[in-house]
Amino acid sequence: KAGVTQTPRYLIKTRGQQVTLSCSPISGHRSVSWYQQTPGQGLQFLFEYFSETQRNKGNFPGRFSGRQFSNSRSEMNVSTLELGDSALYLCASSLEGAGNTIYFGEGSWLTVV
Amino acid sequence: GESVGLHLPTLSVQEGDNSIINCAYSNSASDYFIWYKQESGKGPQFIIDIRSNMDKRQGQRVTVLLNKTVKHLSLQIAATQPGDSAVYFCAERGGGTYKYIFGTGTRLKVLA
Repeated sequence: KAGVTQTPRYLIKTRGQQVTLSCSPISGHRSVSWYQQTPGQGLQFLFEYFSETQRNKGNFPGRFSGRQFSNSRSEMNVSTLELGDSALYLCASSLEGAGNTIYFGEGSWLTVV
Repeated sequence: GESVGLHLPTLSVQEGDNSIINCAYSNSASDYFIWYKQESGKGPQFIIDIRSNMDKRQGQRVTVLLNKTVKHLSLQIAATQPGDSAVYFCAERGGGTYKYIFGTGTRLKVLA
């Protein structure tokens, strides 16, 4: 069974630009969550989606947004990029979310210059 | 605010010894806990989990202990191997929520 797939794996953007990251969950998983990981920091929760609905949101500004499609694939978007947005963005999927183990992809490395 | 912390940011152990990685959590309503291992350049990998109605769970060479009284979680790795070198994160799920809170991580270094 394929794992969580994230694209692109690496990207470089300029301040002020926007970026869209994609995530394909494990087959059969309907919950997708996103996390930001920065050097020296733990993983910070961004948001979680289930059946195309956002069920939970972390403490990030409105520049961070996401969505989920009917096939459970998800995208997250960051607009008006700032240098501090440089991070590893991780997507995780689970069968339902609550109480189920979440499995991570390899992440998308975003560098903002 | 909510937080999950780790007592030791770096732990060095001799190959073959047992490792113990500790974690304190702050939300007494958390009902599910997971340990992850993250190797350089990779995403976090599930190791073992435990629910709040348990105090111990064993896997292959790993054991997780949960002490709800003091809100403490630990990961024990038996006969630590070089391949165990990585950053280990504990994560808690707040009861009734869909979000996990992770600690900052402990780096485990296995010395040959």
